[in-house]
Amino acid sequence: GAGVSQSPRYKVAKRGQDVALRCDPISGHVSLFWYQQALGQGPEFLTYFQNEAQLDKSGLPSDRFFAERPEGSVSTLKIQRTQQEDSAVYLCASSPAYTYEQYFGPGTRLTVT
Amino acid sequence: KQEVTQIPAALSVPEGENLVLNCSFTDSAIYNLQWFRQDPGKGLTSLLLIQSSQREQTSGRLNASLDKSSGRSTLYIAASQPGDSATYLCAVRPNSGNTPLVFGKGTRLSVIA
Repeated sequence: GAGVSQSPRYKVAKRGQDVALRCDPISGHVSLFWYQQALGQGPEFLTYFQNEAQLDKSGLPSDRFFAERPEGSVSTLKIQRTQQEDSAVYLCASSPAYTYEQYFGPGTRLTVT
Repeated sequence: KQEVTQIPAALSVPEGENLVLNCSFTDSAIYNLQWFRQDPGKGLTSLLLIQSSQREQTSGRLNASLDKSSGRSTLYIAASQPGDSATYLCAVRPNSGNTPLVFGKGTRLSVIA
């Protein structure tokens, strides 16, 4: 079946612009995670949803980062007033309720110039 | 705070060699440990998941071991092939339930034909 999809795959933004990154999880997966992966680093946790509830947003680096999942399916990660340090790959993962194994999407590579 | 370290950061081997990738974590109270593969520009593919009660898991030419008390895991790749070239990431789940993964920085593997 279809895996986790993310769009756009690549995004170039000028410093100060707002961006929105989309994640389509595997159908039926209740949990959804966002991670940020800087060049040469491992992914780092940003935020986590169970259905439409955002249960943990402790990893969001600043109040410029905002995530939502209004209907418990598709999620959007929004970054306001982008800065150069926001340049990274943003990974989305979903998991079913029973195994907790996370399935990752291909990521969105954000470059802020 | 849980920290995951992977050694070496990069490894280059000739085709056919057996090799070992190392992962260590600072807090032994983990729920499970997972090894992922990441190809350039792609998302993460899960290779092996070891529950905290298990000592090892095998899939084809891959074998992962876990020594929870000493905070170590190894990924053994037998008879390496050029197609194994990728970055290998180790991640631990600190608690039971659907919690965020804590990743190492990865080992970049090149298998030379």
